[in-house]
Amino acid sequence: GENVEQHPSTLSVQEGDSAVIKCTYSDSASNYFPWYKQELGKRPQLIIDIRSNVGEKKDQRIAVTLNKTAKHFSLHITETQPEDSAVYFCAATDTGRRALTFGSGTRLQVQP
Amino acid sequence: DTEVTQTPKHLVMGMTNKKSLKCEQHMGHRAMYWYKQKAKKPPELMFVYSYEKLSINESVPSRFSPECPNSSLLNLHLHALQPEDSALYLCASSQEGGGRTEAFFGQGTRLTVV
Repeated sequence: GENVEQHPSTLSVQEGDSAVIKCTYSDSASNYFPWYKQELGKRPQLIIDIRSNVGEKKDQRIAVTLNKTAKHFSLHITETQPEDSAVYFCAATDTGRRALTFGSGTRLQVQP
Repeated sequence: DTEVTQTPKHLVMGMTNKKSLKCEQHMGHRAMYWYKQKAKKPPELMFVYSYEKLSINESVPSRFSPECPNSSLLNLHLHALQPEDSALYLCASSQEGGGRTEAFFGQGTRLTVV
């Protein structure tokens, strides 16, 4: 099955700084890589996703990059704001289980 | 309607009780999932339904029993649970199965087994 590793587990940045979270995956057939944000006590919500035929995707302050050869993908948040504070999960297609497998999560804290 | 709705939001049950969790979506999605999430951990896959048929059972104990009455509804029947089963149970749906499209999550049922 798919194995997704995520780093760092916690990340603290000053408001206005950038934050980068990295993930690696094992299933070479994976072709869909979403990022979810989960605020305390709430559901995971998709913030951005990327497919394997694309190397980079950007949506305002959020961007995701994918390196298929190296099997890693990263989330970049620029000009961080206190409301960006949450747990972020990367995920990748597990072609065997036919579902998403999640990374272990990164707790991002943006200090005002 | 782009929501997945779960009921109840909170549930406290004894180890001898029988209860059910319910999940509903009206987005026409053909795949539905149950995930279990413990505190400070990622969602962990339990069951996958694709076109109303159970396609994946992740070696979940038989005290958890899923049911998909139709394409919009997903239930999780609980019986003789253990305190370690206390967790947030998340339902999700996606347009297609296979983990190749966005999974929309419900707000979850926070289950406490006493």
